[in-house]
Amino acid sequence: KNQVEQSPQSLIILEGKNCTLQCNYTVSPFSNLRWYKQDTGRGPVSLTIMTFSENTKSNGRYTATLDADTKQSSLHITASQLSDSASYICVVSPQSGYNKLIFGAGTRLAVHP
Amino acid sequence: ETGVTQTPRHLVMGMTNKKSLKCEQHLGHNAMYWYKQSAKKPLELMFVYNFKEQTENNSVPSRFSPECPNSSHLFLHLHTLQPEDSALYLCASSQASSGRLNEQFFGPGTRLTVL
Repeated sequence: KNQVEQSPQSLIILEGKNCTLQCNYTVSPFSNLRWYKQDTGRGPVSLTIMTFSENTKSNGRYTATLDADTKQSSLHITASQLSDSASYICVVSPQSGYNKLIFGAGTRLAVHP
Repeated sequence: ETGVTQTPRHLVMGMTNKKSLKCEQHLGHNAMYWYKQSAKKPLELMFVYNFKEQTENNSVPSRFSPECPNSSHLFLHLHTLQPEDSALYLCASSQASSGRLNEQFFGPGTRLTVL
């Protein structure tokens, strides 16, 4: 069964600190891996998209890494801000069924002052 | 804003009611999706429409009935729902192509509560 597992389930950090969120997947073969940010009461918004041949992608203070051999990805947030409080969702797109995305359950991040 | 709008944003309905959720995209996409998001669970794909044709029904109960009159609009008709159907219902759109970076853009969702 294709699965995307994320850890931790939730995380609390202080403003200004860095953090790293993890994603392990079993989807194979896959086309690309995405990280989405979902604010409370809003829809997910794309942060990064990486193909299987890429191993890092940055978007401002967000840096995603991908190791296709170990089927792991991480999202690193630098110098966290209060506005980073949200759910972060790892999403894998299989090669077959390009529009049938497989979602992780997300990591709920709370940034405290 | 992502270019995908959904109405209503919140809906409370009884199990015998009939209601509809509406989604509209202003991005020129030709694929649209309905997802269900329950607390602490991954998004579940419900339906996919490509060029107004339904191409995916992910074993969704018949009390959920989608309608796609054109590439810009998508509806989800609801009738005789159960309390366990309470969730956030998200609409998304994308280009209907096999491009590897085919990104889906999500609306803000409708928070549905079934009493």
